[in-house]
Amino acid sequence: ILNVEQSPQSLHVQEGDSTNFTCSFPSSNFYALHWYRWETAKSPEALFVMTLNGDEKKKGRISATLNTKEGYSYLYIKGSQPEDSATYLCAFDHGNNRLAFGKGNQVVVIP
Amino acid sequence: IAGITQAPTSQILAAGRRMTLRCTQDMRHNAMYWYRQDLGLGLRLIHYSNTAGTTGKGEVPDGYSVSRANTDDFPLTLASAVPSQTSVYFCASSDTPQGAGGYTFGSGTRLTVV
Repeated sequence: ILNVEQSPQSLHVQEGDSTNFTCSFPSSNFYALHWYRWETAKSPEALFVMTLNGDEKKKGRISATLNTKEGYSYLYIKGSQPEDSATYLCAFDHGNNRLAFGKGNQVVVIP
Repeated sequence: IAGITQAPTSQILAAGRRMTLRCTQDMRHNAMYWYRQDLGLGLRLIHYSNTAGTTGKGEVPDGYSVSRANTDDFPLTLASAVPSQTSVYFCASSDTPQGAGGYTFGSGTRLTVV
């Protein structure tokens, strides 16, 4: 069983503030790292799939970085808005055709 | 149909009964997956299929079976349901087994075994 850790488990952010959280994964046998956004009562939606060490990806106010050598990825939300409230999942793929998910970072943006 | 359709949306099932959760996708994705989501445990893989005609076991396969007769359908069967199978079940698909474009998820089936 692959150990994918996300921290913090939950956080409250004031509207307009920026925030970030961490996904840690095994540094060996890396193939890809996924980030998903999961809103309440909906299904997870893919944000990023990252494969190269040093990768940086951006979608609107959300961006992610990847360090495969030390086994971590950061997700950043710049200027948080209430619609950013969701659980953000990371998932690790070491090339066996299956994703191992972390438990998620639950973000609540306070207006 | 757009994306992945799961049925039923929710179900209450008596223990010992047989149940099949349906999953259909219209994206012609090769790979499909079944996950269960339990409070505090995150998404855990039950079974997967890299392509039509093949299936494999995930992290928590016991008590479940799957089949992949064609590209579009990937049903999950509980042969004899037990209360520990109470969960929310998500079907997902990807365009390649490595999921280069990310996974597409269905809206989930909430199953309660009593």
